[in-house]
Amino acid sequence: DAGVIQSPRHEVTEMGQEVTLRCKPISGHNSLFWYRQTMMRGLELLIYFNNNVPIDDSGMPEDRFSAKMPNASFSTLKIQPSEPRDSAVYFCASSSLTQGYGYTFGSGTRLTVV
Amino acid sequence: RKEVEQDPGPFNVPEGATVAFNCTYSNSASQSFFWYRQDCRKEPKLLMSVYSSGNEDGRFTAQLNRASQYISLLIRDSKLSDSATYLCVVNNPTGGFKTIFGAGTRLFVKA
Repeated sequence: DAGVIQSPRHEVTEMGQEVTLRCKPISGHNSLFWYRQTMMRGLELLIYFNNNVPIDDSGMPEDRFSAKMPNASFSTLKIQPSEPRDSAVYFCASSSLTQGYGYTFGSGTRLTVV
Repeated sequence: RKEVEQDPGPFNVPEGATVAFNCTYSNSASQSFFWYRQDCRKEPKLLMSVYSSGNEDGRFTAQLNRASQYISLLIRDSKLSDSATYLCVVNNPTGGFKTIFGAGTRLFVKA
């Protein structure tokens, strides 16, 4: 299994630009999570989906952030417009009941907004 | 009080030492517990689940104390390769699959 695949691995963009992060979960996993990690705040859950449906987006910082999961094999996290304080590593993770709620994380996208 | 709190780090230990991490959680209804390991600039990886009866995987032992609401991770015979950040993770029972990550404890194992 290829694991959870995220792209791009690194993204450097200018303030005000739109950023789209992508994630392909492990086949057969029905839950998908987007996390953000910074030194100051640690790992923060932004949003999670169950069977492609957003269940809890209370962690999404503000309206500039949006996430979609159009099908079981693809999800996007979009930031528009981006700001320097959005700089962080963004992880996607997937899980299934057979994993006993344990997650498998992707390698992350390191976002720098200048 | 944070939902999941871990020992402050970093822990600096010599090779071969035994080291223990504790983690407390605030929601008594929490059901699932895990330890993750995160290497520098890498993603977190599941180290082990924590079962009510306690469980062991080689040099690693995890224990759960529901009455006191804490979990622990014991690492015996530390290796240089054990140097990483260890994250305590607790399932939020009101959120389905939603889990809460602790801030992590940094471990340095030195030769």
